[in-house]
Amino acid sequence: DGGITQSPKYLFRKEGQNVTLSCEQNLNHDAMYWYRQDPGQGLRLIYYSQIVNDFQKGDIAEGYSVSREKKESFPLTVTSAQKNPTAFYLCASIGTSGGSSCNEQFFGPGTRLTVL
Amino acid sequence: AQSVAQPEDQVNVAEGNPLTVKCTYSVSGNPYLFWYVQYPNRGLQFLLKYITGDNLVKGSYGFEAEFNKSQTSFHLKKPSALVSDSALYFCAVRDFDTGGFKTIFGAGTRLFVKA
Repeated sequence: DGGITQSPKYLFRKEGQNVTLSCEQNLNHDAMYWYRQDPGQGLRLIYYSQIVNDFQKGDIAEGYSVSREKKESFPLTVTSAQKNPTAFYLCASIGTSGGSSCNEQFFGPGTRLTVL
Repeated sequence: AQSVAQPEDQVNVAEGNPLTVKCTYSVSGNPYLFWYVQYPNRGLQFLLKYITGDNLVKGSYGFEAEFNKSQTSFHLKKPSALVSDSALYFCAVRDFDTGGFKTIFGAGTRLFVKA
């Protein structure tokens, strides 16, 4: 089955620790995204990558970092600089065949991060 | 700036009745509009999209949406609601101010279908 996997499903972190969330896709999609979801709010864009070895900050990038060394993988690191990291994190991708603007996003199952 | 609004935090409907989840948008050009559904502790699933063509778009699970340019709306509808339709629904618009690679999501509308 083609799709997006995120791991782990649940993650607990102590204050002051960095933590990395995994996102892998086998859809051969060029563009990948990381969103943060908080209760009662929509999705907010953290980072996105249009192609390997390139990525751009989204609306709430402070305290986060990413890498895109492989087309299939787009890991997100939540650093100790992120003041309120407890949230549900969603990874997504878009296929670019026919033009990415027309295409819908595919989402992973999410990682729920809790800071203790 | 491009934006999308979902004016209702929650919609309640009885099973078997028609349902509508509202969405309005503001864009500077032709809108590319999407609806997604999210079940608890899951990722979003694509339901349908409007890019061009017929104003009535049909999607997954019996859902449809009507694009209305004059009212800048893209309401999600279903003729007969099921209890299993209870979920969080997001309207979204492609953000062409940033080259079309970003999507702007509404805050979401929680749908409760009562048996």
